[in-house]
Order: sequence, then C-alpha cells, then structure tokens
Amino acid sequence: GAGVSQTPSNKVTEKGKYVELRCDPISGHTALYWYRQSLGQGPEFLIYFQGTGAADDSGLPNDRFFAVRPEGSVSTLKIQRTERGDSAVYLCASSYLTGRYNEQFFGPGTRLTVL
Amino acid sequence: SQQGEEDPQALSIQEGENATMNCSYKTSINNLQWYRQNSGRGLVHLILIRSNEREKHSGRLRVTLDTSKKSSSLLITASRAADTASYFCAPDQLTSGGYNKLIFGAGTRLAVHP
Repeated sequence: GAGVSQTPSNKVTEKGKYVELRCDPISGHTALYWYRQSLGQGPEFLIYFQGTGAADDSGLPNDRFFAVRPEGSVSTLKIQRTERGDSAVYLCASSYLTGRYNEQFFGPGTRLTVL
Repeated sequence: SQQGEEDPQALSIQEGENATMNCSYKTSINNLQWYRQNSGRGLVHLILIRSNEREKHSGRLRVTLDTSKKSSSLLITASRAADTASYFCAPDQLTSGGYNKLIFGAGTRLAVHP
C-alpha cells in the first residue's frame, strides 16, 4: 500500500479482555516500531522490529504486552488482561532501513478504550 | 523520561504570522526530526536535520540545530489556518543495535486563526 495502515481504527473493550492491534507497514520496509500515545503527550516508544525479530522491547510496560512480526511484514500488538490505564492511541511506524538517517512513516493509529 | 521537550506548549497566532517552536534535548544525537500531528492521530514527517547540519529549509519550514546548546527550532513562515496541529521534535539516539530510536516530547499545540 501507499502508507502504513493500522486496524482497527478504534477499539473499545472491557477491563480484563484481550485485544490485538494490527499494523501493515509500507512494502519493503524492514524496520517496524510501535508507540503508545496518551492524551496530551507525545508518542512513547514500545518496541522495535528489524525483520522478524524484536530488536528492542524495552518500552513494553509489562508482560501483558507482547508483539509479533512472524513474516517480517505485518505486526500484531497483543494486550492481555486489559486495564483502563491501557487506553491510548497505539501508533505503528516503519522505515526502509535502520541506521542514522532514516525517517519513520507513521500509520493513523488505533484508539484503544478500555472501559 | 522524554528526550525532546518543546517550548512553548501552546501557541496561538493569526494567519500570515510566523510561528516559532523550540526543542531542547538532553543527550547526544545523530539527527533530529520534526513531526506534525492533526487531531491526535498519525504523525507526518516534516523534516530531518543531521547532527552536522545547522539549518535546513523545506518550503515554508526552516529548522535550525545547535548541538552545543542541545536545541532546535522550527519556524513556519506565513502561517495558514491549515497549519493548526501539534508539532513534535524527535531527537534520535543511535542505539547499540544500530537503529535510530526516536524519543518524543509532549509537543507544541499550534493554533492559527483566520
């Protein structure tokens, strides 16, 4: 596709439920990033994939959060036992290469609301 | 903690005026990027300035970088109502893994009034 796409655009769930958020990066982009953005704040880094492997998951808040990218393209962010504090916009970004001068292209985000 | 911190937090101007937003950061960087966000959704990349550059232009945008002061500025000239958005600076750190990790600040909310 022309840009990074994310589905769903909005997700409302109940506390304790499991959710999956999907990211389709730009074709050919090897690097993929997940961020979380709370109201009035900037995006907060969660995890970075280079190819299929999670090269840096230091931003994941706890073990309820997990992400995969099994074929090096589409990625899924999984949240178990959701809590109200997980409510935020989850952003995905991709870049062609890693390294010093590669801009990241962001998707429109998934707005997660935990009731 | 956030690496980039924007100033001011909010800016309100009239159409045609210039808007200047500042960014300060804490550690050494490889480059610094500016992004724009409308209505709390996807970010749009505006400009990337490398650590060995001091100024860069793109259309009505002018970005400066002073690595000695660990600061950057974004100037939007002849602003338009359509420029209303939040603007984020994102200094990046080249990690030991060889990728650029963006650390965003809280952003500057710009409102341009017709």
